[in-house]
Amino acid sequence: DAMVIQNPRYQVTQFGKPVTLSCSQTLNHNVMYWYQQKSSQAPKLLFHYYDKDFNNEADTPDNFQSRRPNTSFCFLDIRSPGLGDAAMYLCATSEGLAGAYEQYFGPGTRLTVT
Amino acid sequence: SQELEQSPQSLIVQEGKNLTINCTSSKTLYGLYWYKQKYGEGLIFLMMLQKGGEEKSHEKITAKLDEKKQQSSLHITASQPSHAGTYLCGAATNTGNQFYFGTGTSLTVIP
Repeated sequence: DAMVIQNPRYQVTQFGKPVTLSCSQTLNHNVMYWYQQKSSQAPKLLFHYYDKDFNNEADTPDNFQSRRPNTSFCFLDIRSPGLGDAAMYLCATSEGLAGAYEQYFGPGTRLTVT
Repeated sequence: SQELEQSPQSLIVQEGKNLTINCTSSKTLYGLYWYKQKYGEGLIFLMMLQKGGEEKSHEKITAKLDEKKQQSSLHITASQPSHAGTYLCGAATNTGNQFYFGTGTSLTVIP
């Protein structure tokens, strides 16, 4: 049974056209993370929510926003996608903060920008 | 910032051979994680190490964290084609607010 679900698995958007990626979890975890993974690179943390508390990485572009309306769902909004934003976007959850708890990853959404 | 260097960058082994992947940091690691990723898919959790000198095994995979908590190794015994993929180490900062991945090691197992 899927525990971290990402929709859609593949997303194509046009340059500059806003796009939203979705993540949901059935684990009731407190923390939800969004990572960006470009081709042949390691995932890079964009931001995370601890409950409703939003934590943005210092080098995450302003173009990227996130919403967590409830425990189960978290959204990644890209306001004006550029060609450089084409990547795999991974959502993860954990019971508590990293270092003490395992992170469970979704299958990812591959974003193409045309 | 925390940086994790993995070596080797890529590895090609014959089925049945043993192999080791290393993950090194210049800073103390807090919660060292090992993940496996197949191309185009999400990350699969393998193991988490927290204490210096800790060692964990699951099936044919063993992970160790050194006493100083700055280096970890992942050892696969009698490799199989199913072990193929990219292996990533990851670690948290001491506050738990940031998480970093290593540079990754691509493993190919030739039948």
